[in-house]
Amino acid sequence: DGGITQSPKYLFRKEGQNVTLSCEQNLNHDAMYWYRQDPGQGLRLIYYSQIVNDFQKGDIAEGYSVSREKKESFPLTVTSAQKNPTAFYLCASRRDSKRYQPQHFGDGTRLSIL
Amino acid sequence: AQSVSQHNHHVILSEAASLELGCNYSYGGTVNLFWYVQYPGQHLQLLLKYFSGDPLVKGIKGFEAEFIKSKFSFNLRKPSVQWSDTAEYFCAVKVDYGGSQGNLIFGKGTKLSVKP
Repeated sequence: DGGITQSPKYLFRKEGQNVTLSCEQNLNHDAMYWYRQDPGQGLRLIYYSQIVNDFQKGDIAEGYSVSREKKESFPLTVTSAQKNPTAFYLCASRRDSKRYQPQHFGDGTRLSIL
Repeated sequence: AQSVSQHNHHVILSEAASLELGCNYSYGGTVNLFWYVQYPGQHLQLLLKYFSGDPLVKGIKGFEAEFIKSKFSFNLRKPSVQWSDTAEYFCAVKVDYGGSQGNLIFGKGTKLSVKP
């Protein structure tokens, strides 16, 4: 079955450490997104990519980095510059970012600080 | 396992018609509830959320939702839709375990098409 796989489901980070969250999709979707959710808030966009080898910053990109070397993969790195990384991270994808297409979601990764 | 059901896959309305999109969830404990909207070519945006207090929640762009705990529902409403409301709407639930955070669970979405 096609879908989005995020891993790990739970992740713990030490102070000053970079960690990478994986997001893989086998839906042949062009567009992929990373969102963050904090307690008491809705989702906020971190980064998105409309096509391979291209990505744009979202509303809260500081302290994060991404790559899109392959169509099916859009890993998110939470760097040590992100001072408050504890949150729920959700990856999503759509076939085409320009037109109406259903959005698919991963199951999310919960990141906590040790 | 917790789940979120959105009853309608695609809703077609004429402008000025009233809208109600259904959302039901399966968890019986404390939940946080959200409605998100995705306009064509854009990313998800938060319409409104419920955490506690008044079960009738007002959101942006004239949307509101009512949390009915006994029915496990959080239906989205708007008295009079506009063509610009054409979008896909997602209901989401986060279980509150009283200190530890549950994951966000999305419904499959309802596509709303508003005819001018």
